[in-house]
Amino acid sequence: SQQGEEDPQALSIQEGENATMNCSYKTSINNLQWYRQNSGRGLVHLILIRSNEREKHSGRLRVTLDTSKKSSSLLITASRAADTASYFCATYSNDYKLSFGAGTTVTVRA
Amino acid sequence: GAGVSQTPSNKVTEKGKYVELRCDPISGHTALYWYRQSLGQGPEFLIYFQGTGAADDSGLPNDRFFAVRPEGSVSTLKIQRTERGDSAVYLCASSPGTRMDTQYFGPGTRLTVL
Repeated sequence: SQQGEEDPQALSIQEGENATMNCSYKTSINNLQWYRQNSGRGLVHLILIRSNEREKHSGRLRVTLDTSKKSSSLLITASRAADTASYFCATYSNDYKLSFGAGTTVTVRA
Repeated sequence: GAGVSQTPSNKVTEKGKYVELRCDPISGHTALYWYRQSLGQGPEFLIYFQGTGAADDSGLPNDRFFAVRPEGSVSTLKIQRTERGDSAVYLCASSPGTRMDTQYFGPGTRLTVL
């Protein structure tokens, strides 16, 4: 069963705009991770935020975590065509088993 | 350094055939994982190795699926008597240790069963 759920399922934006997607999860977590996947293939790890952190930045990415609401958001600023991909949040359901949501598909239009 | 590699990148087989999918983890990573991803879904856990042993194979869908990691490095996922429902992308990941590490994924093997 999948622990996380991303929202929206799909997002289409103009190049240069910001993209925001959300993730909700069910059980308490130690950390939450975001991954990107191009063309239905390998996942690239983007960022990990720990349960005692509220916000984290990496380049044009900003992740927030609200453990009281069991939710996280990923913001991509100044989007580029290369950001077109599916984005997944993932949490550990035990010490080693990552559980993923169904993902948000982002399309950046030139 | 080199990332996780998987071969083949694509595999087309006929229903009932046997297939092997290979994963080469990042050097020095003791933990190795297999996931399966169906179209439009996120990856789902299949099996986890710590060293040579399968520490958790609870995600394997049935006894047609089996995986090995004999020397604690390369792993092979084996599927017997393939069925059309086995068609998916099979992803391998590795991590340095165990507890809630970042997992680094390979490019996947797209398996199509005709």
